[in-house]
Amino acid sequence: QQQVKQSPQSLIVQKGGISIINCAYENTAFDYFPWYQQFPGKGPALLIAIRPDVSEKKEGRFTISFNKSAKQFSLHIMDSQPGDSATYFCAARGGAGSYQLTFGKGTKLSVIP
Amino acid sequence: NAGVTQTPKFRILKIGQSMTLQCTQDMNHNYMYWYRQDPGMGLKLIYYSVGAGITDKGEVPNGYNVSRSTTEDFPLRLELAAPSQTSVYFCASSFPTAYQETQYFGPGTRLLVL
Repeated sequence: QQQVKQSPQSLIVQKGGISIINCAYENTAFDYFPWYQQFPGKGPALLIAIRPDVSEKKEGRFTISFNKSAKQFSLHIMDSQPGDSATYFCAARGGAGSYQLTFGKGTKLSVIP
Repeated sequence: NAGVTQTPKFRILKIGQSMTLQCTQDMNHNYMYWYRQDPGMGLKLIYYSVGAGITDKGEVPNGYNVSRSTTEDFPLRLELAAPSQTSVYFCASSFPTAYQETQYFGPGTRLLVL
């Protein structure tokens, strides 16, 4: 069974701090690694994504770091704001022509003032 | 663009009843998906479709059926509802390429089976 392991399950960060969420995968055929953000009562929405031939991607306050040899990737949220409070899911795409996403179990982030 | 729409938003079913969850997208996406989301368990793929007339099983297909007669619609059928099917169901659509895969999710249907 293909898996993406995500940690921590929950995270509390003070406003202005750095939030870090980690994911690890096993299948080296995965070829695309997105992060989705979900607010309560809403569907997930794509936040940022990276391909395995890139070690880092930054969009505003959000950065993905990717370590291909360790089969790990992480989301960093700089200057965390209360509006960032949400559940974050990492995911990995099947590779070899498969476009299915395998999701991690999610991290509930709470940013406190 | 309405994006991905789902109906109903909430439904209570009795054990053994059946129902259809509706999903429609107006982005002309070829791929469509059904997921279920349980607390602390992430998103599990139930069924997916790569185009009209083509469907395939995901990770957790038992107890569900789908059809895709048009590009826009991808209904999910629950036969003989069981308490284990209590969950939040999300429909999503995408137009994947070799370089990206953005799935657009609907607002979800919350289902309670009693």
